[in-house]
Amino acid sequence: AQSVTQPDIHITVSEGASLELRCNYSYGATPYLFWYVQSPGQGLQLLLKYFSGDTLVQGIKGFEAEFKRSQSSFNLRKPSVHWSDAAEYFCAVARMNSGGYQKVTFGTGTKLQVIP
Amino acid sequence: DTEVTQTPKHLVMGMTNKKSLKCEQHMGHRAMYWYKQKAKKPPELMFVYSYEKLSINESVPSRFSPECPNSSLLNLHLHALQPEDSALYLCASSQSPFVTTANYGYTFGSGTRLTVV
Repeated sequence: AQSVTQPDIHITVSEGASLELRCNYSYGATPYLFWYVQSPGQGLQLLLKYFSGDTLVQGIKGFEAEFKRSQSSFNLRKPSVHWSDAAEYFCAVARMNSGGYQKVTFGTGTKLQVIP
Repeated sequence: DTEVTQTPKHLVMGMTNKKSLKCEQHMGHRAMYWYKQKAKKPPELMFVYSYEKLSINESVPSRFSPECPNSSLLNLHLHALQPEDSALYLCASSQSPFVTTANYGYTFGSGTRLTVV
């Protein structure tokens, strides 16, 4: 089954430091991959997405992610973290069910804590 | 308008109550979704509506009844819920219900925090 794995449950970084959140996927064909961010008690906001083409994708809020087929990874990065980036981050994959409809499945999430 | 609006933001209901959650979008999206999110867990898909028709039901108990009156509106009717149904209920929409490169991902509402007592 197609899925995504986020190996880090919780990450703490200092404000201004660089950030990398890991995501690994399992899927036979080219996956449709997303990163979402969720602030406490809020809905999810799409940061960026990868469907095909350039493997380095730029998103909102200064985030980027790199698709690496050889490593089955889609890691999220930011060169300098701001305190407002503290949130839960979800990697997600879109797959097609037998009826042709998309189903988006989320990883278990990585909680980011930013310290001064 | 690039938002998905969910009401109410908070709901407390007894196990014998009937209540409804409402979701609205005016982006012309043709697919709408209900997700359930328990604390410290990822969202789990419940229902998918495609062009106002139910296309996916993830074996959700019948005490949850979705309804899509028109292309902009999605309801979730609740009846005889259990305390374990307490969760954040998220609505989302997407341009298309299909996996295509033109699909720009989901737009989520901020959710309804449901507590069943």
